[in-house]
Amino acid sequence: GIQVEQSPPDLILQEGANSTLRCNFSDSVNNLQWFHQNPWGQLINLFYIPSGTKQNGRLSATTVATERYSLLYISSSQTTDSGVYFCAVGNDMRFGAGTRLTVKP
Amino acid sequence: DAGVIQSPRHEVTEMGQEVTLRCKPISGHDYLFWYRQTMMRGLELLIYFNNNVPIDDSGMPEDRFSAKMPNASFSTLKIQPSEPRDSAVYFCASGYINEKLFFGSGTQLSVL
Repeated sequence: GIQVEQSPPDLILQEGANSTLRCNFSDSVNNLQWFHQNPWGQLINLFYIPSGTKQNGRLSATTVATERYSLLYISSSQTTDSGVYFCAVGNDMRFGAGTRLTVKP
Repeated sequence: DAGVIQSPRHEVTEMGQEVTLRCKPISGHDYLFWYRQTMMRGLELLIYFNNNVPIDDSGMPEDRFSAKMPNASFSTLKIQPSEPRDSAVYFCASGYINEKLFFGSGTQLSVL
């Protein structure tokens, strides 16, 4: 099956800082999504982005399908951005191990 | 729509008992996924359905686990007999192909 690797595994930021999270995958896919799991355990879909770039407020994502990676950008981070960010790929939606983000006030 | 609904939210049972987890997908969605989340193994895909038909159950840990989708609005995940190592959060998710996937709130299972 497709291998999904996310980096970095952990990230600590001061409020207001920007960050970039990366998702690499081992084979071509036509489905890639980013999720945020908040401290209460809820999984929220951020983006469906098999290719190209999308933006939603302070968050944006870019997928370069030919090079098999996707990036999630968080600008002007807030404490509410804390949690774990996952990417999932493929028709069977396989998840990476996630990036744990902590934003300090 | 109320979103993906899972029940129960919490389940505490004793080793050897049968456990049934339930999921109601978002109306109209034709894909349904079951995942298990633990600290050690992260989010693991157990099984997924398309139009009520199981497509890939290779993630089901062993014969003690079974999943059904008798109709488009209901799915169950059953563990019989349960073991302490089955303790985890079990998520159900639904969606359309190549569109956003939506998750339920999960069932926290503790097997004593």
